[in-house]
Amino acid sequence: QVQLVQSGAEVKKPGASVKVSCKASGYTFTSYGISWVRQAPGQGLEWMGWISAYNGNTNYAQKLQGRVTMTTDTSTSTAYMELRSLRSDDTAVYYCARRRGLDDPFDYWGQGTLVTVSS
Amino acid sequence: SYELTQPPSVSVSPGQTARITCSGDALPKQYAYWYQQKPGQAPVLVIYKDSERPSGIPERFSGSSSGTTVTLTISGVQAEDEADYYCQSADSSGTYEVFGGGTKLTVL
Repeated sequence: QVQLVQSGAEVKKPGASVKVSCKASGYTFTSYGISWVRQAPGQGLEWMGWISAYNGNTNYAQKLQGRVTMTTDTSTSTAYMELRSLRSDDTAVYYCARRRGLDDPFDYWGQGTLVTVSS
Repeated sequence: SYELTQPPSVSVSPGQTARITCSGDALPKQYAYWYQQKPGQAPVLVIYKDSERPSGIPERFSGSSSGTTVTLTISGVQAEDEADYYCQSADSSGTYEVFGGGTKLTVL
Protein backbone atom coordinates (compact mmCIF):
# COMPACT_ATOMS: atom_id res chain seq x y z
CA GLN A 1 0.00 0.00 0.00
CA VAL A 2 1.10 3.54 -0.68
CA GLN A 3 2.71 5.22 2.32
CA LEU A 4 4.43 8.54 2.87
CA VAL A 5 6.28 8.65 6.19
CA GLN A 6 7.64 11.98 7.34
CA SER A 7 10.40 12.86 9.77
CA GLY A 8 9.70 13.93 13.33
CA ALA A 9 8.86 17.24 14.92
CA GLU A 10 11.43 20.02 14.94
CA VAL A 11 12.00 23.11 17.10
CA LYS A 12 14.08 25.84 15.51
CA LYS A 13 15.16 29.36 16.37
CA PRO A 14 14.34 32.30 14.12
CA GLY A 15 16.81 32.59 11.28
CA ALA A 16 17.64 28.89 11.29
CA SER A 17 16.83 26.30 8.62
CA VAL A 18 14.81 23.10 8.75
CA LYS A 19 14.83 20.07 6.47
CA VAL A 20 11.85 17.72 6.51
CA SER A 21 11.93 14.31 4.85
CA CYS A 22 9.17 12.23 3.29
CA LYS A 23 9.92 8.56 2.59
CA ALA A 24 7.68 6.94 0.00
CA SER A 25 6.81 3.27 -0.36
CA GLY A 26 4.27 1.09 -2.14
CA TYR A 27 4.60 2.66 -5.60
CA THR A 28 7.15 3.60 -8.26
CA PHE A 29 8.64 6.76 -6.79
CA THR A 30 9.77 8.27 -10.08
CA SER A 31 6.30 7.97 -11.64
CA TYR A 32 4.92 10.70 -9.40
CA GLY A 33 5.76 14.08 -7.99
CA ILE A 34 5.68 15.24 -4.40
CA SER A 35 3.99 18.41 -3.27
CA TRP A 36 4.49 20.12 0.06
CA VAL A 37 1.60 21.76 1.90
CA ARG A 38 1.70 23.49 5.27
CA GLN A 39 -0.90 24.40 7.85
CA ALA A 40 -0.31 26.99 10.54
CA PRO A 41 -2.05 26.37 13.88
CA GLY A 42 -5.79 26.83 13.49
CA GLN A 43 -5.39 27.95 9.87
CA GLY A 44 -6.03 26.55 6.41
CA LEU A 45 -3.86 24.67 3.96
CA GLU A 46 -1.12 26.46 2.03
CA TRP A 47 0.56 24.99 -1.06
CA MET A 48 4.33 25.39 -0.93
CA GLY A 49 5.48 23.78 -4.14
CA TRP A 50 6.02 20.61 -6.13
CA ILE A 51 8.93 18.50 -7.30
CA SER A 52 8.97 15.87 -10.00
CA ALA A 53 10.61 12.70 -8.74
CA TYR A 54 11.23 11.78 -12.37
CA ASN A 55 13.51 14.66 -13.37
CA GLY A 56 13.78 16.93 -10.31
CA ASN A 57 11.89 19.83 -11.88
CA THR A 58 10.45 22.13 -9.25
CA ASN A 59 7.75 24.75 -8.96
CA TYR A 60 7.61 26.88 -5.81
CA ALA A 61 4.94 29.18 -4.41
CA GLN A 62 5.86 32.78 -5.14
CA LYS A 63 5.89 33.84 -1.48
CA LEU A 64 8.46 31.16 -0.61
CA GLN A 65 10.79 31.48 -3.59
CA GLY A 66 14.33 32.08 -2.39
CA ARG A 67 13.72 30.44 0.98
CA VAL A 68 12.56 26.95 0.03
CA THR A 69 14.31 24.09 -1.75
CA MET A 70 12.72 20.75 -2.61
CA THR A 71 14.82 17.75 -3.57
CA THR A 72 14.47 14.03 -4.01
CA ASP A 73 16.74 11.01 -3.54
CA THR A 74 15.53 8.33 -5.92
CA SER A 75 17.87 5.74 -4.41
CA THR A 76 15.89 5.87 -1.16
CA SER A 77 12.53 7.08 -2.53
CA THR A 78 12.70 10.08 -0.26
CA ALA A 79 11.69 13.68 -0.84
CA TYR A 80 13.04 16.60 1.16
CA MET A 81 11.85 20.13 1.84
CA GLU A 82 14.28 22.67 3.24
CA LEU A 83 13.06 26.05 4.48
CA ARG A 84 15.61 28.72 5.40
CA SER A 85 15.58 31.97 7.34
CA LEU A 86 12.78 30.69 9.53
CA ARG A 87 10.35 33.13 11.10
CA SER A 88 7.72 32.65 13.77
CA ASP A 89 4.99 32.57 11.14
CA ASP A 90 6.62 29.50 9.60
CA THR A 91 5.40 27.54 12.62
CA ALA A 92 3.11 24.95 11.06
CA VAL A 93 2.47 21.32 10.32
CA TYR A 94 4.20 20.46 7.06
CA TYR A 95 2.72 17.74 4.86
CA CYS A 96 4.07 15.95 1.81
CA ALA A 97 1.54 14.63 -0.69
CA ARG A 98 1.86 12.49 -3.78
CA ARG A 99 0.77 13.87 -7.12
CA ARG A 100 1.27 12.45 -10.60
CA GLY A 101 0.91 15.66 -12.60
CA LEU A 102 -0.71 19.05 -12.81
CA ASP A 103 -4.16 17.64 -13.61
CA ASP A 104 -4.02 15.06 -10.87
CA PRO A 105 -4.98 15.25 -7.21
CA PHE A 106 -2.89 15.01 -4.07
CA ASP A 107 -4.01 11.44 -3.57
CA TYR A 108 -1.86 10.26 -0.65
CA TRP A 109 -0.54 12.39 2.20
CA GLY A 110 2.13 12.00 4.82
CA GLN A 111 1.25 12.18 8.49
CA GLY A 112 2.61 15.70 8.87
CA THR A 113 5.64 17.19 10.64
CA LEU A 114 5.25 19.95 13.20
CA VAL A 115 7.89 22.65 12.86
CA THR A 116 7.95 25.17 15.68
CA VAL A 117 9.94 28.37 15.30
CA SER A 118 10.58 30.03 18.63
CA SER A 119 13.34 31.93 20.34
CA SER B 1 -2.41 36.34 -6.30
CA TYR B 2 -5.17 33.91 -7.17
CA GLU B 3 -7.75 33.05 -4.54
CA LEU B 4 -10.49 30.49 -4.02
CA THR B 5 -13.39 31.59 -1.83
CA GLN B 6 -15.32 29.23 0.44
CA PRO B 7 -17.91 29.95 3.15
CA PRO B 8 -16.32 29.66 6.60
CA SER B 9 -19.00 27.38 7.93
CA VAL B 10 -21.98 25.24 6.95
CA SER B 11 -24.35 23.54 9.39
CA VAL B 12 -26.83 20.76 8.66
CA SER B 13 -28.82 18.19 10.59
CA PRO B 14 -28.12 14.48 10.14
CA GLY B 15 -29.73 13.09 7.01
CA GLN B 16 -29.92 16.46 5.29
CA THR B 17 -27.89 17.62 2.31
CA ALA B 18 -24.85 19.83 2.77
CA ARG B 19 -23.56 21.98 -0.06
CA ILE B 20 -20.18 23.69 0.12
CA THR B 21 -19.23 26.14 -2.61
CA CYS B 22 -15.86 27.29 -3.88
CA SER B 23 -15.48 30.26 -6.22
CA GLY B 24 -12.55 31.31 -8.36
CA ASP B 25 -12.03 33.04 -11.69
CA ALA B 26 -9.95 30.23 -13.17
CA LEU B 27 -12.31 27.40 -12.26
CA PRO B 28 -13.80 27.23 -15.77
CA LYS B 29 -10.29 26.36 -17.01
CA GLN B 30 -8.82 24.33 -14.16
CA TYR B 31 -9.99 21.21 -12.36
CA ALA B 32 -11.07 21.44 -8.75
CA TYR B 33 -10.37 18.98 -5.98
CA TRP B 34 -11.92 18.58 -2.55
CA TYR B 35 -10.28 17.36 0.66
CA GLN B 36 -11.76 16.43 4.02
CA GLN B 37 -9.70 17.09 7.13
CA LYS B 38 -10.61 15.96 10.62
CA PRO B 39 -8.85 17.37 13.71
CA GLY B 40 -5.29 16.18 14.09
CA GLN B 41 -5.35 14.27 10.80
CA ALA B 42 -3.95 14.75 7.33
CA PRO B 43 -6.37 15.77 4.58
CA VAL B 44 -8.15 13.05 2.61
CA LEU B 45 -9.15 13.42 -1.06
CA VAL B 46 -12.93 13.11 -1.50
CA ILE B 47 -13.48 14.53 -5.03
CA TYR B 48 -11.08 14.99 -7.93
CA LYS B 49 -11.39 16.60 -11.37
CA ASP B 50 -14.53 18.48 -10.31
CA SER B 51 -16.81 15.47 -9.94
CA GLU B 52 -14.89 12.19 -9.77
CA ARG B 53 -14.99 10.18 -6.55
CA PRO B 54 -11.95 8.15 -5.46
CA SER B 55 -12.43 4.52 -4.54
CA GLY B 56 -13.39 4.12 -0.92
CA ILE B 57 -15.21 7.44 -0.68
CA PRO B 58 -18.94 7.00 0.06
CA GLU B 59 -21.40 7.69 -2.74
CA ARG B 60 -23.03 10.45 -0.70
CA PHE B 61 -20.07 12.68 -1.67
CA SER B 62 -20.43 14.31 -5.08
CA GLY B 63 -19.01 17.30 -6.91
CA SER B 64 -20.24 19.63 -9.62
CA SER B 65 -19.07 22.66 -11.55
CA SER B 66 -20.83 25.65 -13.03
CA GLY B 67 -18.87 28.58 -14.38
CA THR B 68 -16.63 30.06 -11.72
CA THR B 69 -18.12 27.98 -8.90
CA VAL B 70 -17.64 24.37 -7.90
CA THR B 71 -19.77 22.65 -5.31
CA LEU B 72 -19.20 19.74 -2.97
CA THR B 73 -22.48 18.04 -2.07
CA ILE B 74 -22.87 15.60 0.78
CA SER B 75 -26.23 13.85 0.64
CA GLY B 76 -27.64 12.24 3.76
CA VAL B 77 -25.01 13.80 6.02
CA GLN B 78 -23.76 11.63 8.85
CA ALA B 79 -22.14 12.65 12.10
CA GLU B 80 -18.81 11.28 10.85
CA ASP B 81 -18.84 13.84 8.03
CA GLU B 82 -18.23 16.67 10.49
CA ALA B 83 -14.87 18.08 9.39
CA ASP B 84 -13.12 20.89 7.56
CA TYR B 85 -13.40 20.79 3.78
CA TYR B 86 -10.96 22.46 1.40
CA CYS B 87 -11.20 23.04 -2.33
CA GLN B 88 -7.98 23.17 -4.35
CA SER B 89 -7.22 24.25 -7.88
CA ALA B 90 -4.64 26.10 -9.98
CA ASP B 91 -4.37 29.61 -11.35
CA SER B 92 -5.28 30.25 -14.98
CA SER B 93 -1.76 29.47 -16.20
CA GLY B 94 -1.68 26.20 -14.28
CA THR B 95 1.54 27.29 -12.60
CA TYR B 96 0.50 27.84 -9.01
CA GLU B 97 -1.78 25.75 -6.85
CA VAL B 98 -4.08 27.27 -4.29
CA PHE B 99 -6.40 26.06 -1.55
CA GLY B 100 -9.61 27.69 -0.51
CA GLY B 101 -9.81 28.98 3.04
CA GLY B 102 -11.73 25.93 4.20
CA THR B 103 -15.30 25.32 5.34
CA LYS B 104 -16.14 23.86 8.71
CA LEU B 105 -19.07 21.46 8.35
CA THR B 106 -21.03 21.09 11.56
CA VAL B 107 -23.55 18.27 11.93
CA LEU B 108 -26.16 19.51 14.37
